[in-house]
Amino acid sequence: DSGVTQTPKHLITATGQRVTLRCSPRSGDLSVYWYQQSLDQGLQFLIQYYNGEERAKGNILERFSAQQFPDLHSELNLSSLELGDSALYFCASSVESLGELFFGEGSRLTVL
Amino acid sequence: QQQVKQSPQSLIVQKGGIPIINCAYENTAFDYFPWYQQFPGKGPALLIAIRPDVSEKKEGRFTISFNKSAKQFSLHIMDSQPGDSATYFCAASMSGANNLFFGTGTRLTVIP
Repeated sequence: DSGVTQTPKHLITATGQRVTLRCSPRSGDLSVYWYQQSLDQGLQFLIQYYNGEERAKGNILERFSAQQFPDLHSELNLSSLELGDSALYFCASSVESLGELFFGEGSRLTVL
Repeated sequence: QQQVKQSPQSLIVQKGGIPIINCAYENTAFDYFPWYQQFPGKGPALLIAIRPDVSEKKEGRFTISFNKSAKQFSLHIMDSQPGDSATYFCAASMSGANNLFFGTGTRLTVIP
């Protein structure tokens, strides 16, 4: 158990809808990262927050947004969903910026 | 654009064999090269990591070989076991950065 908690584990929704994925980092970790994992693309970095502030942005679509709250949990919001957004979304946390990443078990999103 | 290229995509070996997974990168600013192991239904977990000041690092049955001039690094698993069956990801990052660039993963199957 990595100590990182992600909910929900599975989510099925329709195109055009909006979903929110939630992540609770390990106790004491200030950095939260979001990754998207699809079969042919591996792990794609989406965005990183450090102690509530956005620190780095990767291949995150404009339809997607994230935030980190004062209690350090983070949410990834995906809107106007398309079939191609179906993937596993992982949250990871670390004590400081970068360093060893501890991954949650992921949220599997299926868009029908 | 894939910053870290990983091969092969999949690998099947007999128990006791030595699977080798290769990764290559272009950005000479990368100075941290971890390997992550992912079991089905779980998030990736750090397995072993190397920095470019050494050419080899060994932890138990897992060895990273690093060739700075060729910009390549590889993972060797000695005396592989069925319990090593998993997907392995190489990754790279640079000091001061806030992102790990992952390879596309190698699915390893160790046959009893």
